Amino acid sequence: DAGVIQSPRHEVTEMGQEVTLRCKPISGHNSLFWYRQTMMRGLELLIYFNNNVPIDDSGMPEDRFSAKMPNASFSTLKIQPSEPRDSAVYFCASSLGAGLTNEQFFGPGTRLTVL
Amino acid sequence: AQSVTQPDIHITVSEGASLELRCNYSYGATPYLFWYVQSPGQGLQLLLKYFSGDTLVQGIKGFEAEFKRSQSSFNLRKPSVHWSDAAEYFCAVGPQGAQKLVFGQGTRLTINP
Repeated sequence: DAGVIQSPRHEVTEMGQEVTLRCKPISGHNSLFWYRQTMMRGLELLIYFNNNVPIDDSGMPEDRFSAKMPNASFSTLKIQPSEPRDSAVYFCASSLGAGLTNEQFFGPGTRLTVL
Repeated sequence: AQSVTQPDIHITVSEGASLELRCNYSYGATPYLFWYVQSPGQGLQLLLKYFSGDTLVQGIKGFEAEFKRSQSSFNLRKPSVHWSDAAEYFCAVGPQGAQKLVFGQGTRLTINP
């Protein structure tokens, strides 16, 4: 079975450009999470969705960040405009349902570099 | 607020030696506790979890962890490490009934041949 799929795996862009990261959760999973990993701050939850509805976006750093989940099999995380401090690895994870008793399965991540 | 501390940023052990990675948490009640492993260039994989009951939990790849309420700790152990265990290990906590995980800073494990 395919796991969580993220694209692109690597993205290099220039400051001020729009960046869109994509995630396809595991089929049948109805919770989706976006995390950011940096050396300074470690792994942080940005936002999560249940049944395509954003539940908690308190981790989204600024208005430059937005996330959508138009259907059960696709989510995007957009940064507009991007800044060098947004450079990080962005992970998407999915789980069968709400609650931490449901294991979160992580994708391979997108390494973003903003020059 | 919840917090997770992994005191060791980097640990080096010899292949075949025993391993213990430390994790301490700060939370008002007993949270759910997790250990994840991240191999280079990969996402995180769940090693084991504790929700309630027996305080010694077994996980995949021969790992185990022990929950000690009095010490607010959830240390990860393996009796004999293999070269393939070289990776970064993350402890995470989350409140019961919630959905948000808080991760520690991670411990990078290096295996000497």
